[in-house]
Amino acid sequence: EVQLLESGGGLVQPGGSLRLSCEASGFTFSSYGMSWVRQAPGKGLEWVSVITDSGDWTYNADSVKGRFTISRDNSKNTLYLQMNSLRVEDTAVYYCSYSRSSGDPESKYFQHWGQGTLVTVSS
Amino acid sequence: EIVLTQSPATLSLSPGERATLSCRASQSVSSSLAWYQQKPGQAPRLLIYDASNRATGIPARFSGSGSGTDFSLTISSLEPEDFAVYYCQHRSNWPWTFGQGTKVEIK
Repeated sequence: EVQLLESGGGLVQPGGSLRLSCEASGFTFSSYGMSWVRQAPGKGLEWVSVITDSGDWTYNADSVKGRFTISRDNSKNTLYLQMNSLRVEDTAVYYCSYSRSSGDPESKYFQHWGQGTLVTVSS
Repeated sequence: EIVLTQSPATLSLSPGERATLSCRASQSVSSSLAWYQQKPGQAPRLLIYDASNRATGIPARFSGSGSGTDFSLTISSLEPEDFAVYYCQHRSNWPWTFGQGTKVEIK
């Protein structure tokens, strides 16, 4: 059974930092690209960041470019999101998910999601 | 960045009725589009991938169509558990983006 368990959320002041983790199990973690998607309270979904299966390429949404860094440790089956210079507008539930760039077409989309971790940026 | 515009924002229907949701892309995404369902307090669930293919375990009452810039999700006969928010998402190029969502509510 696929499991994605996010952690690390909490309350932080504007300008502060936080590191989120996503522990994966039930699939071959090192074979999949991983993404973070967030959802502000009462709002829609926003894709945030992606990292390839090997970790050699990353891409961030403009809204977090220069502030957030995605990384992974394939030996620990864990994905990370280092969030710096946090803003009030970064307040959201952060989900991790995975996808592939080739192979089974369904796997190219977000088939499985974690339960999310809430980040609140407020003074 | 490709912008996905969903309409309507809210759809008020009764159980048993047919629901048709629209997603329009600001430029062609070919067939690289998915639909997700999200219920309150839950993570999204993949319904449709590559515009018209039902994801694993998704009931046949859900169907998707379209290509290029215009897509639709149809629920042939609404069940009580189908009242939720629906999002489209493209994976044509980076950044991937989601539409703003359509809420299907009970009339």
